[in-house]
Amino acid sequence: DAGITQSPRYKITETGRQVTLMCHQTWSHSYMFWYRQDLGHGLRLIYYSAAADITDKGEVPDGYVVSRSKTENFPLTLESATRSQTSVYFCASSEGGFGNTIYFGEGSWLTVV
Amino acid sequence: ILNVEQSPQSLHVQEGDSTNFTCSFPSSNFYALHWYRWETAKSPEALFVMTLNGDEKKKGRISATLNTKEGYSYLYIKGSQPEDSATYLCASSNSGYSTLTFGKGTMLLVSP
Repeated sequence: DAGITQSPRYKITETGRQVTLMCHQTWSHSYMFWYRQDLGHGLRLIYYSAAADITDKGEVPDGYVVSRSKTENFPLTLESATRSQTSVYFCASSEGGFGNTIYFGEGSWLTVV
Repeated sequence: ILNVEQSPQSLHVQEGDSTNFTCSFPSSNFYALHWYRWETAKSPEALFVMTLNGDEKKKGRISATLNTKEGYSYLYIKGSQPEDSATYLCASSNSGYSTLTFGKGTMLLVSP
């Protein structure tokens, strides 16, 4: 049972480059999420998706693009990376509904230099 | 943007001590409160999801309570062990949707 996997786990990129973080889940969960974790902040929601082809902005969406053509995949793209986007990115999924557990991937550590 | 507060920010206890943390969340439009345990370099692990006022949940030596009217939840760890060292996150759902607002976490260190 692979669960939810993220790739790459660690990446260093240069300012201005495009970067895509991949997320894949094997549970057929309808909801998927992208969060970022920064020192001094809680996990902050970037984007989420309720189903394939349905996405919505979270708290901090600027500079990010998402797509969800298949239920199991939810890639996050930084169109032109900035140093402020240096962070740990967590993908997550759930069956949906406020009372259901959200399951997290192991995180992608991104450094923008 | 909702405000979910956790206290203390960090805590250092000795093995065998019992400890507790607090999570404060908006009581209006409340739907659910989640607790997670997070070790660095690992994925956050779900501990509890609570929805009803007065809910109490228990998992081994860890338990949690919920007061939705005043907007707080307590997480208790009985007889702390070094393997309990982690950051404990709480998150609130106040919209009825599946999105959560997280607090900054309480970092627990348990010394042998």
